[in-house]
Amino acid sequence: GQSLEQPSEVTAVEGAIVQINCTYQTSGFYGLSWYQQHDGGAPTFLSYNALDGLEETGRFSSFLSRSDSYGYLLLQELQMKDSASYFCAVRDPGGTALIFGKGTTLSVSS
Amino acid sequence: DAGVIQSPRHEVTEMGQEVTLRCKPISGHDYLFWYRQTMMRGLELLIYFNNNVPIDDSGMPEDRFSAKMPNASFSTLKIQPSEPRDSAVYFCASSSETGLSEKLFFGSGTQLSVL
Repeated sequence: GQSLEQPSEVTAVEGAIVQINCTYQTSGFYGLSWYQQHDGGAPTFLSYNALDGLEETGRFSSFLSRSDSYGYLLLQELQMKDSASYFCAVRDPGGTALIFGKGTTLSVSS
Repeated sequence: DAGVIQSPRHEVTEMGQEVTLRCKPISGHDYLFWYRQTMMRGLELLIYFNNNVPIDDSGMPEDRFSAKMPNASFSTLKIQPSEPRDSAVYFCASSSETGLSEKLFFGSGTQLSVL
């Protein structure tokens, strides 16, 4: 089956850089996705890595190492609005649905 | 585009009652997913459809849960009878064939409370 591990909580201050790690075990790998969810809101897509390396989108970057079954989400120049839960996800064995990690709650303080 | 639309936004019911959650996916999307979110178990996949056909319902917790997709623009998740442990936020999500599983679009969710 699919399993993902990520820290439950991370705290940081405005302007800082934070890295949220994710390790996974899968039967069949199609890529690693990241989603953001604000309190009371719906998960929204942030990034997707199918190949090894770093993908950058503005202040957010995502990294993947398939040989290590590991990835991370890097958030730079943190803002208060970045306080949210962040989920990594992989496809199910059928290669279709997404299976999510338990999520990392990021708290940004001033 | 209006996005994925779910109703109701909140549902409070008593144990033993039937609950029906509704979802309208984004027009043109071929896949529809139902997820349940709780603090203890996180985001769990319940069932998903491709072109209105249920593909994998292995995540449906019990026979009390059923889901249908009678057409491309509508799906329901029914719980009968409901129990307090069913209390959770239920999300519907859709995606296109092209962006398969790389990008899901989630609805706002239904907060279900079973008393």
